[in-house]
Amino acid sequence: GIQVEQSPPDLILQEGANSTLRCNFSDSVNNLQWFHQNPWGQLINLFYIPSGTKQNGRLSATTVATERYSLLYISSSQTTDSGVYFCAVVGTSGSRLTFGEGTQLTVNP
Amino acid sequence: SAVISQKPSRDICQRGTSLTIQCQVDSQVTMMFWYRQQPGQSLTLIATANQGSEATYESGFVIDKFPISRPNLTFSTLTVSNMSPEDSSIYLCSVTLMAGSYNEQFFGPGTRLTVL
Repeated sequence: GIQVEQSPPDLILQEGANSTLRCNFSDSVNNLQWFHQNPWGQLINLFYIPSGTKQNGRLSATTVATERYSLLYISSSQTTDSGVYFCAVVGTSGSRLTFGEGTQLTVNP
Repeated sequence: SAVISQKPSRDICQRGTSLTIQCQVDSQVTMMFWYRQQPGQSLTLIATANQGSEATYESGFVIDKFPISRPNLTFSTLTVSNMSPEDSSIYLCSVTLMAGSYNEQFFGPGTRLTVL
């Protein structure tokens, strides 16, 4: 099946800093999504982005499908951004999401 | 988007017992899934819940341990049977909203299970 790799596995920032999270995938995809899992375990949809670039407030994402990677940008980070960020994909031959291992983000005040 | 609710939100159970988790969606959906997230780990797909037929299980998961029902397009249950401490996890229900080439997946709030 399709493989999903996220980097870095852990990231510690000071409030106000910017960061870039990366997601590499091993095959063509029909779907790519970024999620934020908050400390209570809730998975929050950030972006549905199988290709192209999207922005939502301080967050933006870019997927370059031909090169099989996606980037999540967080600008002016806040303590509430802390949590685990997951990238997940659906391969062209599949129908459900395969998750990466996540990036654990800690934003310190 | 889809509004998904799960019951219970959390539970503490004794070894050897079973727990049934309910998932309710606010609209009819074709694709419905159950995931497990063990402590400190990523999400792993348990099975696809098929309306009116047996669920499709992923490698490593079996019907006797994780029986699933899906009587209609808005509701599903997952039972964790004969529990052991290794079953302590967050169990999440998920649905896919589809329209043409668009197919975004949404997750319920999860059920946090602790087995003693």
